[in-house]
Amino acid sequence: DQQVKQNSPSLSVQEGRISILNCDYTNSMFDYFLWYKKYPAEGPTFLISISSIKDKNEDGRFTVFLNKSAKHLSLHIVPSQPGDSAVYFCAASEGGSEKLVFGKGTKLTVNP
Amino acid sequence: DGGITQSPKYLFRKEGQNVTLSCEQNLNHDAMYWYRQDPGQGLRLIYYSQIVNDFQKGDIAEGYSVSREKKESFPLTVTSAQKNPTAFYLCASSIEGWGRYGNQPQHFGDGTRLSIL
Repeated sequence: DQQVKQNSPSLSVQEGRISILNCDYTNSMFDYFLWYKKYPAEGPTFLISISSIKDKNEDGRFTVFLNKSAKHLSLHIVPSQPGDSAVYFCAASEGGSEKLVFGKGTKLTVNP
Repeated sequence: DGGITQSPKYLFRKEGQNVTLSCEQNLNHDAMYWYRQDPGQGLRLIYYSQIVNDFQKGDIAEGYSVSREKKESFPLTVTSAQKNPTAFYLCASSIEGWGRYGNQPQHFGDGTRLSIL
């Protein structure tokens, strides 16, 4: 049973526009959420995280929003750049657990 | 520079052989992890270790073994019991494993791609 779901396998946006990547989760015990960016044949790179006590966290062009009642989080990238083209993974953990549960990823393509 | 080093980047194994993947970190992190990624899939946890000489099974530990004799090293052995070993293997570490500093992200190496000949 998939506890973290990224329902869009791919997303294409124009350079300079907003990219919105979505993630849903089913485990109400999750309290820490992360986004990773991954290029082919490389390891994931940590982008941004959010604790369940917050509903928004911002870092430069990246903002993560958390809606606990809907069990939904999203990553906004503004403005999108061609270098942002990669696979983005959403991950979650519960109660200080070491175990991160990952979604299957969304491939973002930013067109010049 | 501090980081996580996985070697080799590509590895080939014959049927019935065990093979060991190396993971070294110089970040002074307490916790280390091994994940497996298959095409079109997310990362699945194989094993993790919060401290030297201790490790725990993840979600897909069957056919794998690990050791943690040194803080900076966490090698993964893919045994002949692993029926479908072809995958991309990722090692990660985090500052510590008990949440004393609050939630901390895991940081990843660049992976080892294992293929069966």
